[in-house]
Amino acid sequence: GAGVSQTPSNKVTEKGKYVELRCDPISGHTALYWYRQSLGQGPEFLIYFQGTGAADDSGLPNDRFFAVRPEGSVSTLKIQRTERGDSAVYLCASSSLLADEQFFGPGTRLTVL
Amino acid sequence: QKEVEQDPGPLSVPEGAIVSLNCTYSNSAFQYFMWYRQYSRKGPELLMYTYSSGNKEDGRFTAQVDKSSKYISLFIRDSQPSDSATYLCAMSEGQGAQKLVFGQGTRLTINP
Repeated sequence: GAGVSQTPSNKVTEKGKYVELRCDPISGHTALYWYRQSLGQGPEFLIYFQGTGAADDSGLPNDRFFAVRPEGSVSTLKIQRTERGDSAVYLCASSSLLADEQFFGPGTRLTVL
Repeated sequence: QKEVEQDPGPLSVPEGAIVSLNCTYSNSAFQYFMWYRQYSRKGPELLMYTYSSGNKEDGRFTAQVDKSSKYISLFIRDSQPSDSATYLCAMSEGQGAQKLVFGQGTRLTINP
């Protein structure tokens, strides 16, 4: 079966530009998570969705970051006015409602020049 | 101070050695403890999951949790070159859909 997929796998942009990162969770998973992993660090929580709504967005670093999941499946992480410090691997994970295991995608490697 | 501390290594051992990986944490509300393995340019994959204090064994892997000391460990017996990866500890306060708090990750190399 298909796992979590993320597109694009790599994204290079210029400082100040807007980017969108997409996540396709495992079919039927109601919970979807976004994490950010900087080089040499562990993943850092950004936001998690239950269905269409954000259940916890406490990890979003500032108002340049926004995420949506309009139909309760695919999610898009949006970053406005990108900064060089936003360069990282953005990981998406999904899980079923009561399950303990989060299944991770391969990540999108974002580079801001 | 980070909520979860993990020695980043790198750690290099010969094939067949016993490997010990450790994390400490400061948040006493953490109840669920996990170890993830991450290969280069891949997402993390769950290795072990434990609740509260105690030991759990799965094949060559043993996870230990000592909540009184706020200390968790992962032991790998008869280590193989295929075990070479970054190992991440992770923790959550509740069960089910919850945000995970990760350690920095320890980069492990098993030399043939």
